[in-house]
Amino acid sequence: KQEVTQIPAALSVPEGENLVLNCSFTDSAIYNLQWFRQDPGKGLTSLLLIQSSQREQTSGRLNASLDKSSGRSTLYIAASQPGDSATYLCAGLSGGYNKLIFGAGTRLAVHP
Amino acid sequence: DAMVIQNPRYQVTQFGKPVTLSCSQTLNHNVMYWYQQKSSQAPKLLFHYYDKDFNNEADTPDNFQSRRPNTSFCFLDIRSPGLGDAAMYLCATSRDFGAGDQPQHFGDGTRLSIL
Repeated sequence: KQEVTQIPAALSVPEGENLVLNCSFTDSAIYNLQWFRQDPGKGLTSLLLIQSSQREQTSGRLNASLDKSSGRSTLYIAASQPGDSATYLCAGLSGGYNKLIFGAGTRLAVHP
Repeated sequence: DAMVIQNPRYQVTQFGKPVTLSCSQTLNHNVMYWYQQKSSQAPKLLFHYYDKDFNNEADTPDNFQSRRPNTSFCFLDIRSPGLGDAAMYLCATSRDFGAGDQPQHFGDGTRLSIL
C-alpha cells in the first residue's frame, strides 16, 4: 500500500532563501510524482509532474527531482518570495486507474 | 479560463440533510475524480468515473454517492451528512488512464460545513 510522507510539516523562511521540500513514498512502482500548490481555502494547482522514467523537471524557480530507488522526491524553490507562501503537496500516481496518493503537505511561509 | 468548475464554493447544510455538490469540466476528459480533504490532511480519493464506468474506493462510506449524467458534469451526493463529513471536496479530471504522462486538473473545491 502506497504511503506518502512530507517533511517538514511547516516551514518559515525569510524572503530570498533557497529551500527544499521533501517527499517520501513507500512503493517505488509509481507512474509519476506530482507536486501541487494549495492556497488557503482553494483547490490544487499543478506545479510539476515527473514521470517515472525522468529524474527531474524544472519550471521557473522550481525544480523537482525524483529518485525511485530511494523513494524520494524533492521540490527546490530558488530565491523564495512572499507570494510563494502556500501549502505544497506531493502525490504519487499508481494503479490501473491513475490513483493519486497524497502527502499531508508542507505549509510554507515566506516573510519579507 | 476555468477548466474544472465546482459549485458552490461554500456549502452549509444541516446534520442529516442531503446535499449535492457539482463539478463541471470544459476539457472533454474521460475521467473525473472526487477527493475529500479534511483540515490539514491529505486529499483522499472517494471514487472516480471513466466515462460512465463508476469505481468506488473500498473505504468510501456508503453515505457518499456520485452521478455522471454526461461527459461534462459529475455530482457528489451525501445522503445523510454527519459532522465528520465537514471537509473540502475536490473534483479533478484527467484525459485518460495514461502511463504517468497525464496530470490531473483540479477545481477550486467546495468547502462543506455541517451545522
